[in-house]
Amino acid sequence: ETGVTQSPTHLIKTRGQQVTLRCSSQSGHNTVSWYQQALGQGPQFIFQYYREEENGRGNFPPRFSGLQFPNYSSELNVNALELDDSALYLCASSLSLLNTGELFFGEGSRLTVL
Amino acid sequence: AQTVTQSQPEMSVQEAETVTLSCTYDTSESDYYLFWYKQPPSRQMILVIRQEAYKQQNATENRFSVNFQKAAKSFSLKISDSQLGDAAMYFCARGYALNFGKGTSLLVTP
Repeated sequence: ETGVTQSPTHLIKTRGQQVTLRCSSQSGHNTVSWYQQALGQGPQFIFQYYREEENGRGNFPPRFSGLQFPNYSSELNVNALELDDSALYLCASSLSLLNTGELFFGEGSRLTVL
Repeated sequence: AQTVTQSQPEMSVQEAETVTLSCTYDTSESDYYLFWYKQPPSRQMILVIRQEAYKQQNATENRFSVNFQKAAKSFSLKISDSQLGDAAMYFCARGYALNFGKGTSLLVTP
């Protein structure tokens, strides 16, 4: 059974640029969620995708967008990067739409915006 | 906003001893899930234990147990017989989209 994998693990961008982060869900999982974890903080929910459709969004601006593909892998796109976007971005997959605790996290992508 | 509060930024415990991490939350829902997640230095978040709010019985997973007080909206984690491998950030989380607290850093000393 393959776990949740994220790429890249680290990346550096400059303000105003765009970034795409990728996530491969655990085998058989049809739901993926993305979280932003700033240094010293708990993760903040960005959005969730279920069967290729966005299903729930946190308090993040539209320049944060996502995709989920037929194989349930996912992308997080951030446009017009700001310094405050520097954070660890976590992807988590689950078997079902309702979160009953079976969330499996990747190790994250560390984004630094200069 | 429905918040989760962890009032202890850092805690320390000696090996083999017991430690309790605190968590309070705010919600208007009557049925929800509560979780404790562990994030070791490798960064991968791991589920430690979960509690369904409609169940009065406190959840237990081996050395980990919770004290769930629904009326007080309190959900503490007790770690018994602490081990060096328990050292990590611990996050309390609530609900569907996982509303996380800011975390408690647990240090385990020999």
